[in-house]
Amino acid sequence: EVHLAESGGGLVQPGRSLRLSCTTSGFAFGDFALTWVRQAPGKGLEWVGFISGKPSAGRTEYAASVKGRFSISRDDSKSIAYLQMNSLKTDDTAVYYCTRGPYYDSSGYCDYWGQGILVTVSS
Amino acid sequence: EVVMTQSPATLSVSPGDRATLSCRASQTIFSNLAWYQQKPGQPPRLLIYGASTRATGVPARFSGSGSGTEFTLTISSLQSEDFAVYYCQQYENWPPYTFGQGTKLEIK
Repeated sequence: EVHLAESGGGLVQPGRSLRLSCTTSGFAFGDFALTWVRQAPGKGLEWVGFISGKPSAGRTEYAASVKGRFSISRDDSKSIAYLQMNSLKTDDTAVYYCTRGPYYDSSGYCDYWGQGILVTVSS
Repeated sequence: EVVMTQSPATLSVSPGDRATLSCRASQTIFSNLAWYQQKPGQPPRLLIYGASTRATGVPARFSGSGSGTEFTLTISSLQSEDFAVYYCQQYENWPPYTFGQGTKLEIK
C-alpha cells in the first residue's frame, strides 16, 4: 500500500526557515516524481513544486511564488523527500501536502496524498 | 500560466439527484485534466484523470467528460458522502500545474 507522511511543520517566524520531510513506503520511490501542494486556511489548492525521479536525475520546478526561497530534494536510499523553505512569509501559512503522481519526469496528476502538515508563519 | 475556472462556486443538490460541475481552461489542455474530491480535514482524493478515467476505487456514479478547454464532472444519484469540495487540475502546460478554485457541493 502506498503511504506518504509529512513531518516537520509548526509555527515559525517570518524570515526564518523550516524543512518538511515526506516519508514514503509501498512503492519504488526512485521511479516516481514527488510533488508538494499547499492549501492556505479556507482556500484552494496551490502547486508548490516537484522533483523528478530517475532517470531525470532530480530535476526540480517551482511555482513563481516560492521560486528562489523553497527547494525540493530527495534521498532515494531512505525513500524521503524534503521541502526546504527559506525566507518564510506570512502568505506561506498553509497545510502542505506531499503527493505522488504516475510519472517520473513531471508532476502530472496526484494519485496519492499524505495527510498534510500545517505550517504557520507568524510573529 | 493556464487559468482554470470552475463553476458554480457552490452547488446545492438534493440527495439522489444528479450534479454537474464545470471546469474551463484558459487554453487547450487536451485531455490532461484531473478531478479531486476534498472533505473537511482530509487531503484531496483523486477521482478522475485523463478527463474521463476513474481512479482506482472510485464509484461508477462519478464520470468525467470534455477535452480542449471545457470539462464536466457528473455525479449521478448523489449520496450523502459525496457532499464535499471538488477541484479540477490541469497537467498539460507546466510549470505551474494549476487548480481551479473549487466547487462546493452542498445538500439542498
